[in-house]
Amino acid sequence: EIVMTQSPTTLSVSPGERATLSCRASQSISSNLAWYQQKPGQPPRLLIYGASTRATGIPARFSGSGSGTEFTLTISSLQSEDFAVYYCQQSNKWPTSFGPGTKVDIK
Amino acid sequence: QVQLQESGPGLVKPSGTLSLTCAVSGGSISSNNWWSWVRQAPGKGLEWIGEVYHSGTNNYNPSLGSRVTLSVDRSNNQFSLTLSSVTAADTAVYFCARGGKWLDHFDYWGQGTLVTVSS
Repeated sequence: EIVMTQSPTTLSVSPGERATLSCRASQSISSNLAWYQQKPGQPPRLLIYGASTRATGIPARFSGSGSGTEFTLTISSLQSEDFAVYYCQQSNKWPTSFGPGTKVDIK
Repeated sequence: QVQLQESGPGLVKPSGTLSLTCAVSGGSISSNNWWSWVRQAPGKGLEWIGEVYHSGTNNYNPSLGSRVTLSVDRSNNQFSLTLSSVTAADTAVYFCARGGKWLDHFDYWGQGTLVTVSS
């Protein structure tokens, strides 16, 4: 099974600032990487798939990059509604697996 | 707009069987999609349980072994999860989700349902 790791565990950011989240795969997953946002009491929401393609309705301030084993989710200017937990998921090798998450909270 | 809604008992006794159903609306379960279950233990991350196609073909996470069974009910546009021999470690919020092709991201999710394993 491919193990996904995320860093940092918690990221404290002020509104309007840029946030950079990292996700690493234990082996190459090409560009088969998705990012999700989850708020308390809600299901995950798909943000990015194919490492860099925004899902329908996702604001342009969210962007994804990377390939192989290293990936980044960037939120260019944090809005109040962006404070949440973010998960990455690999879909290159069965079984699919998720990272442990990065919590973005208010600084 | 596709919507998914989980239903089932919120409390299951240890060694018993957990059974949940996911009703799909706004779309057909016979579409070219795989349908998955994902769970999240309290305060923890996401764990993929398994997936099923409308033909009945299914795949399960090896970590759950033979305890998992997924099935499809095309006539009622829903799919189901059965998890046997449950323990407290199976206490979690269970989500159903729609994938695209096999081994894909998940674009639609149910709201989730909390299942507690306790006597």
